[in-house]
Amino acid sequence: ETGVTQTPRHLVMGMTNKKSLKCEQHLGHNAMYWYKQSAKKPLELMFVYSLEERVENNSVPSRFSPECPNSSHLFLHLHTLQPEDSALYLCASSQDSAVNYGYTFGSGTRLTVV
Amino acid sequence: AQKITQTQPGMFVQEKEAVTLDCTYDTSDQSYGLFWYKQPSSGEMIFLIYQGSYDEQNATEGRYSLNFQKARKSANLVISASQLGDSAMYFCAMREANQAGTALIFGKGTTLSVSS
Repeated sequence: ETGVTQTPRHLVMGMTNKKSLKCEQHLGHNAMYWYKQSAKKPLELMFVYSLEERVENNSVPSRFSPECPNSSHLFLHLHTLQPEDSALYLCASSQDSAVNYGYTFGSGTRLTVV
Repeated sequence: AQKITQTQPGMFVQEKEAVTLDCTYDTSDQSYGLFWYKQPSSGEMIFLIYQGSYDEQNATEGRYSLNFQKARKSANLVISASQLGDSAMYFCAMREANQAGTALIFGKGTTLSVSS
């Protein structure tokens, strides 16, 4: 248990479905992140939230919609996904945005779009 | 240009041997942090070791050490006395001071296989 909990662990959804991924951290961190990990590719940063404000959005398609209601919770709302969106989605948190603070990751949600 | 380069897609080592996983990075910042993470087949990313750009000594954490060569911009991970449980994907990552949100940038990873 890392202190960052992601649910669900596995998700299979159709292209017309709407679903949400949830991330919760119990570490008192003030920054949270969504990453996408596809096979044979580096981790791709999707969204950064610092003090509940979205700092960065790396040109992610609008079918992915993040929400950060407070510093402990982060959601990724999914709708009208494509099969190429199938991947491991990792949530992480950090204490600060300084260079010497690494991330604590959750176990990820393995998403399959059919 | 890639910020983090890991040139070894896969490495094989026998138990109890040492192994070095390569990582080179590209940055114009003076202040940055370098990290190594381990990802077992279960998917979670486990923090292993950190090296700051101003640290003069190489970082060590148990069986892990980081061979930091600043002039060459390399930050290789050395695992001593490999164990079967070390079989996993290993990622090198960097955090730069001037990047918005200073998010971690990851390399493509190296798969390490430890055999008995």
